[in-house]
This record gives sequence, C-alpha cells and structure tokens, in this order.
Amino acid sequence: GAGVSQTPSNKVTEKGKYVELRCDPISGHTALYWYRQSLGQGPEFLIYFQGTGAADDSGLPNDRFFAVRPEGSVSTLKIQRTERGDSAVYLCASSLVGTDEAFFGQGTRLTVV
Amino acid sequence: GDSVTQMEGPVTLSEEAFLTINCTYTATGYPSLFWYVQYPGEGLQLLLKATKADDKGSNKGFEATYRKETTSFHLEKGSVQVSDSAVYFCALSYGGATNKLIFGTGTLLAVQP
Repeated sequence: GAGVSQTPSNKVTEKGKYVELRCDPISGHTALYWYRQSLGQGPEFLIYFQGTGAADDSGLPNDRFFAVRPEGSVSTLKIQRTERGDSAVYLCASSLVGTDEAFFGQGTRLTVV
Repeated sequence: GDSVTQMEGPVTLSEEAFLTINCTYTATGYPSLFWYVQYPGEGLQLLLKATKADDKGSNKGFEATYRKETTSFHLEKGSVQVSDSAVYFCALSYGGATNKLIFGTGTLLAVQP
C-alpha cells in the first residue's frame, strides 16, 4: 500500500466494552509500533513488533491492553473492559528494520463514553 | 528517565517570519534526535533528524543542530510559509533493538498570510 493504514478512523464505544483497532503497515516493513496520544500530549510508546513477535511491550499500561501480529503484517490492538481514560488517538507506525525513520498512520480516535 | 520538553504553543507567525521552536531533552545515553511534523488531516512524518552531537539535520528549509552541551535540538526556519502550519514534535530514540521514539508534547504553528 501507499502508506500505513489504520481502521477505523473513529471509534465510539461504551465503558466496559471490548474494542479492536487495526493497523496495515507498509508492505515489507517488519518493524511495527503502536503509540497512544492523549489530548494535548505527544505520542507515547505502547508496543513494538519485530515480525510476528512482540519484542517490547513495556509501554502497555495494564493487562487490559493486548496486541497481535500473527502473520507479520497486519496488527490488531485489543482493549478489554474499556475505561473513559482509554480515550485517545491510537497511532500505528512501521519501518524497515535497522532504519530509524518510522512511517505513521493517521490514527484511530477512540472515545469511551 | 529519558524525556523531551518542547516550548508550548500555539506559535502564531506572519508569512516570511523567522521560526524557532525550542526543544530540550534529558537522556541517560546518546540518542538520535528527530523532528516530526503533523499537517492537518495527515499522519506524523519525519521532518529531519541528527544522530550525534554537532550534527545538523535539514529538510524543506528547516534546520536543527544536535547540541550536547545544552541538551537541545531547536527547530529553525528562516522564512515560514502558510503551508508550514502544522504541529511539530521533537523526539529522541536510541535505535538498537527497539528503536522506539520518546516524544515531546508538540507545538502548534499557525502561519498567517
């Protein structure tokens, strides 16, 4: 694809519900990142995939958050029992391994009501 | 821990004015430094970078110099255009296995004709 694609672009969900956010990275990019951007803040690192495996999940805030990348391309960020504090823009980025330029998607704006 | 501090916005300038957006960092090691830009309705994109002390990154008329002695990476442009209106993020990364980015809070630049 031309760039990193994230779906949906907007998601409104009720407190306590489960949500999935999808990221389609640039073809051939084996490195994939999830970040969370709260209002008025910069993006904060959540998790990094190298291929299919989560090489660094140190940024996940708690065990309600989980991400997978089963075939080494598309990734899904999963949030269980959503809370109002989870409301934010969730950004996905991909890059070639060994390079330091990350390409970002436009993000999914999650609103928990 | 490592962090990035940016000047608060918004910064409002007239076209052709000189731009400076201040960025300082706190780091335990020797990171690479980046400026990312987010134009309205678009994803974050890399503007410029510097990988070691005294390096100057430049792109699209923007420049920033990696100053280890002052732990700074200020963004400058000699003559801004309306099309430069965007949010600018300073960030650092250590590369290596994870290469995750640590961002500042972002600075909104509004250029008026």
